[in-house]
Amino acid sequence: DAKTTQPNSMESNEEEPVHLPCNHSTISGTDYIHWYRQLPSQGPEYVIHGLTSNVNNRMASLAIAEDRKSSTLILHRATLRDAAVYYCILRDRGGGSNYKLTFGKGTLLTVNP
Amino acid sequence: DAMVIQNPRYQVTQFGKPVTLSCSQTLNHNVMYWYQQKSSQAPKLLFHYYDKDFNNEADTPDNFQSRRPNTSFCFLDIRSPGLGDAAMYLCATSKEQGAHADTQYFGPGTRLTVL
Repeated sequence: DAKTTQPNSMESNEEEPVHLPCNHSTISGTDYIHWYRQLPSQGPEYVIHGLTSNVNNRMASLAIAEDRKSSTLILHRATLRDAAVYYCILRDRGGGSNYKLTFGKGTLLTVNP
Repeated sequence: DAMVIQNPRYQVTQFGKPVTLSCSQTLNHNVMYWYQQKSSQAPKLLFHYYDKDFNNEADTPDNFQSRRPNTSFCFLDIRSPGLGDAAMYLCATSKEQGAHADTQYFGPGTRLTVL
């Protein structure tokens, strides 16, 4: 499985945008980029995913570099409820192990009031 | 609301005493997963069921077993818990298996303590 690299931690202020980076320099052409987050004492939850084009949903936006070697999860206005560990995960569209989520260390986001 | 439910939220067992954790889902999803998350670590898949087909990860210890009696329920059995099995156990579901875009829905987890 292709690997991802994320900063261990980031800090933000409430009501401000947050840009969470993810490097995946060995990404293959069939890998989708998924983001999940895990709030304290809860199970992970899906945030967003994409392949090549930027994606938006009600939770966040995903900006994918043109060469696909990196991506950025954007929270437009951070709230205290967004404090969580954010995981960037690659899933192969056609690979044998794409049934599972292979979590890396993720980024611990702290949101200051 | 459709959801993934795990009971109990906290489980304490003794070293070597068998323990069963349960998971139920109202999503009617085909696939159910069990992940183990040790303290300050990322979740790691133990095994999953696609319908009635059981799929074990290569590095999952034999001490861990699972049962899925019907679509809605899945159980994790730890035959002889050791201190190293203390962790959060997360159940997840997805509609299909292997679909690149298929979202996994997680329960809140069961935190297992081994004394």
